[in-house]
Amino acid sequence: GAVVSQHPSRVICKSGTSVKIECRSLDFQATTMFWYRQFPKKSLMLMATSNEGSKATYEQGVEKDKFLINHASLTLSTLTVTSAHPEDNSFYICSARKTSGDYNEQFFGPGTRLTVL
Amino acid sequence: GQNIDQPTEMTATEGAIVQINCTYQTSGFNGLFWYQQHAGEAPTFLSYNVLDGLEEKGRFSSFLSRSKGYSYLLLKELQMKDSASYLCAVRDSNYQLIWGAGTKLIIKP
Repeated sequence: GAVVSQHPSRVICKSGTSVKIECRSLDFQATTMFWYRQFPKKSLMLMATSNEGSKATYEQGVEKDKFLINHASLTLSTLTVTSAHPEDNSFYICSARKTSGDYNEQFFGPGTRLTVL
Repeated sequence: GQNIDQPTEMTATEGAIVQINCTYQTSGFNGLFWYQQHAGEAPTFLSYNVLDGLEEKGRFSSFLSRSKGYSYLLLKELQMKDSASYLCAVRDSNYQLIWGAGTKLIIKP
């Protein structure tokens, strides 16, 4: 199989604090990981594409200084939401692309629900 | 621009069949994916089409027509647990996934 874990699954923090979310591919190596944000009843919105050992590529409108991404190894990528505010309340989902196989499928982590008070 | 269209919501009866349509306009095409997403959970992979035709996997089938920019997901013998959102996603020429807004499927007994 191809399992992706995320930690924490749920986080509640005070406004102005920073939150780090980890995404791990447990049984495969992922040179590329993706970070998505999903607001209630909305589709997934790609925030950034993270390649191991290089800087992340951010989608238009996503502040790279606010959403820090580090892809330090082939199995771990982290997203840090700096100075979080209530407008950052969302479901954050990572996915990892398995480069072997027929169609480079993306496997999703279980998501992290962020609530900023 | 790039666009994926699918119905917002559909309702079907337990035991019946439902077809969820998806039309797309993207810059390039490198495959179409269907995902299932239960409320509060991450998407799970259902099917992948890159060539025209029907892919069958148990109770779920997915069809693709590249010339028409069209796909559908067919769910047979519906069960209550099939109540979820179904997301259509197309991989473009840059190998990025372009997501539809999802179709919320409500199953009634």
